[in-house]
Amino acid sequence: DIQMTQSPASLSASLGETVTIECRASEDIYNGLAWYQQKPGKSPQLLIYNANSLHTGVPSRFSGSGSGTQYSLKINSLQSEDVASYFCQQYYDYPFTFGSGTKLEIK
Amino acid sequence: EVQLVESGGGLVQPGRSMKLSCAASGFTFNNYDMAWVCQAPKKGLEWVATISYDGSSTYYRDSVKGRFTISRDNAKSTLYLQMDSLRSEDTATYYCARQAYGSSDYWGQGVMVTVSS
Repeated sequence: DIQMTQSPASLSASLGETVTIECRASEDIYNGLAWYQQKPGKSPQLLIYNANSLHTGVPSRFSGSGSGTQYSLKINSLQSEDVASYFCQQYYDYPFTFGSGTKLEIK
Repeated sequence: EVQLVESGGGLVQPGRSMKLSCAASGFTFNNYDMAWVCQAPKKGLEWVATISYDGSSTYYRDSVKGRFTISRDNAKSTLYLQMDSLRSEDTATYYCARQAYGSSDYWGQGVMVTVSS
């Protein structure tokens, strides 16, 4: 199985700041990577697919990058509504696997 | 508008069975692979199973192989998860999700399954 190592586990940042969350795959996943946002008490929502493609309706302050085994999610100009947990997922090969998540809070 | 509505959760004893349903609307159901993803209380997300658009292929995580069965009825636009021989570690919220080329682009609201005596 492909292991996804996500960091950091938690993050605290100020409004307007830029934050970056990273995921490392145990093998090359050829950009088969998605990022999800899950607000407290809600279902996950897709932000990014294919490592760097923005899902419909997602604000442009979210962006994804990376290749091979290293991927990152960047959030520019942090806003209060971005308080959530963020998860990466590889879908290059079954079984699909998620990172352990990053909890983002506002300072 | 894409909608996925899960049902069928609740409290069940260890070793017993439960069947979850997910009613889909707002898109052409038989054009998409579908998945179940679970989340134990206060924990992360775990992919459970995927079924191809026509039901011809299924995939499972190791911990549910032989116990869970994913299926679909394209005429009813409904996805199912039959869960047998349930264990306490299966306690989680189960989400139905539409898969678009691998990523899960729309999710249901989730249904809670509690396995306890």
